[in-house]
Amino acid sequence: SQTIHQWPATLVQPVGSPLSLECTVEGTSNPNLYWYRQAAGRGLQLLFYSVGIGQISSEVPQNLSASRPQDRQFILSSKKLLLSDSGFYLCAWRRSYTDTQYFGPGTRLTVL
Amino acid sequence: GQQLNQSPQSMFIQEGEDVSMNCTSSSIFNTWLWYKQDPGEGPVLLIALYKAGELTSNGRLTAQFGITRKDSFLNISASIPSDVGIYFCAGRSGTSYGKLTFGQGTILTVHP
Repeated sequence: SQTIHQWPATLVQPVGSPLSLECTVEGTSNPNLYWYRQAAGRGLQLLFYSVGIGQISSEVPQNLSASRPQDRQFILSSKKLLLSDSGFYLCAWRRSYTDTQYFGPGTRLTVL
Repeated sequence: GQQLNQSPQSMFIQEGEDVSMNCTSSSIFNTWLWYKQDPGEGPVLLIALYKAGELTSNGRLTAQFGITRKDSFLNISASIPSDVGIYFCAGRSGTSYGKLTFGQGTILTVHP
């Protein structure tokens, strides 16, 4: 069976510090991968998605970047965090030619 | 971009009551998905719908793909306290797999 992991689960960072969130998927190959941000427990905002190693599509201009160094690894980064980067970050994967996205447990980021 | 209007935004019900929520769009959708998110966790898929008019059940949950392909509803029968959470609809409107459009969510509170 497939599983998706995210770490860390929670993170408190000062403004201006760097960020690295990691997402890994087990039990499948060539997954499509997604990063979402959820503010205040409501709607999901798509940040990045990737169809393969080194292939990243950015959905909104922002202070964040994403990388996919391995087939089942997706990383969300920032060089300098802003207060507005606080939120709940969700990683998701899906199989090619299907619609269903499966979400990870999320990372709660608080920028102070 | 595509938008989904999900209603109601929140519901406060007594245990044992039935619940109904829906999503509408101005565009035709090819797939409808319903997710539930427990506090502090990632969304979990409840039901997936792929054909106009399709009616699918998952235990006490029933969802339908609207015949016009522009709406979907989710019903929960005989609610229990563990039904508490945020329910999201999501759909794919294009012919290419890739991105989902998400509703803003319905926050469900169940009073024992």
